[in-house]
Amino acid sequence: KAGVTQTPRYLIKTRGQQVTLSCSPISGHRSVSWYQQTPGQGLQFLFEYFSETQRNKGNFPGRFSGRQFSNSRSEMNVSTLELGDSALYLCASSLELSTDTQYFGPGTRLTVL
Amino acid sequence: KNQVEQSPQSLIILEGKNCTLQCNYTVSPFSNLRWYKQDTGRGPVSLTIMTFSENTKSNGRYTATLDADTKQSSLHITASQLSDSASYICVVRGLNDYKLSFGAGTTVTVRA
Repeated sequence: KAGVTQTPRYLIKTRGQQVTLSCSPISGHRSVSWYQQTPGQGLQFLFEYFSETQRNKGNFPGRFSGRQFSNSRSEMNVSTLELGDSALYLCASSLELSTDTQYFGPGTRLTVL
Repeated sequence: KNQVEQSPQSLIILEGKNCTLQCNYTVSPFSNLRWYKQDTGRGPVSLTIMTFSENTKSNGRYTATLDADTKQSSLHITASQLSDSASYICVVRGLNDYKLSFGAGTTVTVRA
């Protein structure tokens, strides 16, 4: 099976712009989670989707949003970008929500100038 | 205060030696506790996942232990190899809300 894929892998934006990142989970997986990783803050949870419904949300401002489609693919959007949004954005998929192992994608490296 | 605390923040060990990483958590009740390995520039990879009723789980040279009474977990690396150089992250999922709490990670550097 193909692993979790994320596009694009690298992105450079300027302050005030908005960005959309995409994640395709492993075939058959219904849960997709998004994380932000920065050197200073480590891995931080953004949101988690299961069967097109947001099941959990981390402590991020409303500028961060996401959605999941019927084929389990997911997108996250960040509006009005700030310099502090520069980070590695990771997506992970799993079969179910609870005890299943999460498989991470390679991430999208976002740089905000 | 973070609900998952890891120690040490970083450590350096010689190839072939063993090491133990610690994870203390306050998440309660919890569904499961996971250890991930993250190589620089790559996404984390799951090493072990344990429910509250499990005490130990192994994955090759990696052995995780869990004491649900004291809310402590450890990850033991046996006979370390250069490829073990990575960040190791402890993650706890809550039972009722399914929320994930992440530790800040321990950076392990294995030197020849």
